Amino acid sequence: QSALTQPASVSGSPGQSITISCTGTSSDVGGYNYVSWYQQHPGKAPKLMIYEVSNRPSGVSDRFSGSKSGYTASLTISGLQAEDEADYYCSSYTTTSISFGGGTKLTVL
Amino acid sequence: EVQLLESGGGLVQPGGSLRLSCAASGFAFGSYAMTWVRQAPGKGLEWVSAITGSGGNTYYADSVKGRCTISRDNSKNTLYLEMNSLRAGDTALYYCVKYLRPATPFFDYWGQGTLVTVSS
Repeated sequence: QSALTQPASVSGSPGQSITISCTGTSSDVGGYNYVSWYQQHPGKAPKLMIYEVSNRPSGVSDRFSGSKSGYTASLTISGLQAEDEADYYCSSYTTTSISFGGGTKLTVL
Repeated sequence: EVQLLESGGGLVQPGGSLRLSCAASGFAFGSYAMTWVRQAPGKGLEWVSAITGSGGNTYYADSVKGRCTISRDNSKNTLYLEMNSLRAGDTALYYCVKYLRPATPFFDYWGQGTLVTVSS
């Protein structure tokens, strides 16, 4: 069982916006701003999309944004595109280690 | 260009050992913490272990603590993961991963992974 809780799946139509939640505790998401998000296409290595809650690495589309409130972090993808269909993982530093969420499969309808 | 090339995976019997290696290039290897992340077939990501740039501090997930040792040779730009007492649950693709900044846990470059299969 993952330390961080994500919905198993979300879906949206092209052009729409979706949000993926990542819920933790005071020992991880709620206690630190060390939250990041990764995109993984089938058969590929994960790709960093958001770091430190809301920062985008160079080259990542501004359609991707991150936020945090209390013990829950969120990844929002606006203007959904077909290539956004992938698995998404949140990650957080914890008091003792690093945790990943169980992953969310995004389907673009 | 940053490159991370893992090797050393393979089929091993339960209770056996393996040493994974990761050859790094394209960045100041010794200035960055590095980590291993694994992914069991069809499953999610699991953090395994991390090491500071100097190699002076190491960190382990509870699931591998006491059975794995992370190390690095900065003169060879190479990261290692020694795995002992392997179990079926250790079967996974093991990724070598670079920290975005020297010491903050955001991972900007991932290798393609090396597959470890524990089975009799």
